[in-house]
Amino acid sequence: AQSVAQPEDQVNVAEGNPLTVKCTYSVSGNPYLFWYVQYPNRGLQFLLKYITGDNLVKGSYGFEAEFNKSQTSFHLKKPSALVSDSALYFCAVRDRGNNDMRFGAGTRLTVKP
Amino acid sequence: DARVTQTPRHKVTEMGQEVTMRCQPILGHNTVFWYRQTMMQGLELLAYFRNRAPLDDSGMPKDRFSAEMPDATLATLKIQPSEPRDSAVYFCASGRRDRDWGTDTQYFGPGTRLTVL
Repeated sequence: AQSVAQPEDQVNVAEGNPLTVKCTYSVSGNPYLFWYVQYPNRGLQFLLKYITGDNLVKGSYGFEAEFNKSQTSFHLKKPSALVSDSALYFCAVRDRGNNDMRFGAGTRLTVKP
Repeated sequence: DARVTQTPRHKVTEMGQEVTMRCQPILGHNTVFWYRQTMMQGLELLAYFRNRAPLDDSGMPKDRFSAEMPDATLATLKIQPSEPRDSAVYFCASGRRDRDWGTDTQYFGPGTRLTVL
């Protein structure tokens, strides 16, 4: 069965600095990997996904993520953080042979002015 | 701007009452997912439909929960009888299966916040 870990409950960065939100995964086969963002009292919003091809995936709002097969990681990055990026971020993984998607516990990102 | 809609947005009920939550997937999407989010458990998949047929409901307590898709524009999640431990935010998500890669990017609704007293 697939699983995903987000090792940090909380990430704090200053506005304008680069940010990284970490994610590692475990699947028996080849993974589909996703990042979602959740703002207060809202549903999850899709940011980006990795299916195959280029290991660097670009998504919404200037976010990108790098698939690293050897480290089984899919860290979310942004070169310059905005205060409005403050939210809860979820990594998710799905094994190609499976129907359901597993979400991480979430990482709360706080960007301070 | 197509969105998944969910009703009601908030529901407060007493233990033992029946609760029905509704979801309208994005037009053209053929997969629907129900999730439950709590502080303790995070986001849990309850059920999953493709082309209105249930494919996986292993995450759902069978004795009190039921999920259906009466038609392509409506998915329902019902709890009968409800219990205080069912208090959570329930999300519906819809997607369209990518024929080439066999996966669905899921688009989430705003959720139904359920409180069972």
